[in-house]
Amino acid sequence: AQRVTQPEKLLSVFKGAPVELKCNYSYSGSPELFWYVQYSRQRLQLLLRHISRESIKGFTADLNKGETSFHLKKPFAQEEDSAMYYCALKSAGGSYIPTFGRGTSLIVHP
Amino acid sequence: NAGVTQTPKFQVLKTGQSMTLQCAQDMNHNSMYWYRQDPGMGLRLIYYSASEGTTDKGEVPNGYNVSRLNKREFSLRLESAAPSQTSVYFCASSEPLAGGQQQFFGPGTRLTVL
Repeated sequence: AQRVTQPEKLLSVFKGAPVELKCNYSYSGSPELFWYVQYSRQRLQLLLRHISRESIKGFTADLNKGETSFHLKKPFAQEEDSAMYYCALKSAGGSYIPTFGRGTSLIVHP
Repeated sequence: NAGVTQTPKFQVLKTGQSMTLQCAQDMNHNSMYWYRQDPGMGLRLIYYSASEGTTDKGEVPNGYNVSRLNKREFSLRLESAAPSQTSVYFCASSEPLAGGQQQFFGPGTRLTVL
């Protein structure tokens, strides 16, 4: 069975500080990993996916198969980054039915 | 393009009442989903529909039924609401994209069962 663990319910940082939202997964095959974000009063939306190896809004995430992790990082947090972040895993092939972690609420203080 | 729309936005029910949450997408996606979002529990899949005419149970299907009315619409029904079903409900749709797949979410329905 696949599982996604986000160990922090809440992460609080000051503006300009580096931020790392942790995501660990359990899956025996080759996973596809995603980060979704939900800003206040907005709908959940895709932030980035590992397959694209892209940087979005200054965020990056590298898939580490050895550590089974897909941590989300940003070198300098901004107040507008405050949101709920969800890590999600989809098994390779088959229907797109991702498993979501429990989410981490990021608060960036001025 | 409205994307994924949900009605109603808010609903208050009494225990035992029934209701249907409506979801529609205008992106011609095959796959549609219903999730519930609870504090500390993240998003949990209730039901999904890989294509028109098919539905499958997710992680937490008990107390719910779904109907994939056509390619656009996917409704979620609570036959006899319980306080444990107080939650925010999200509908989503998805389709393969170059370089991977992603889900598009609706704005959510906040349901309170008294």
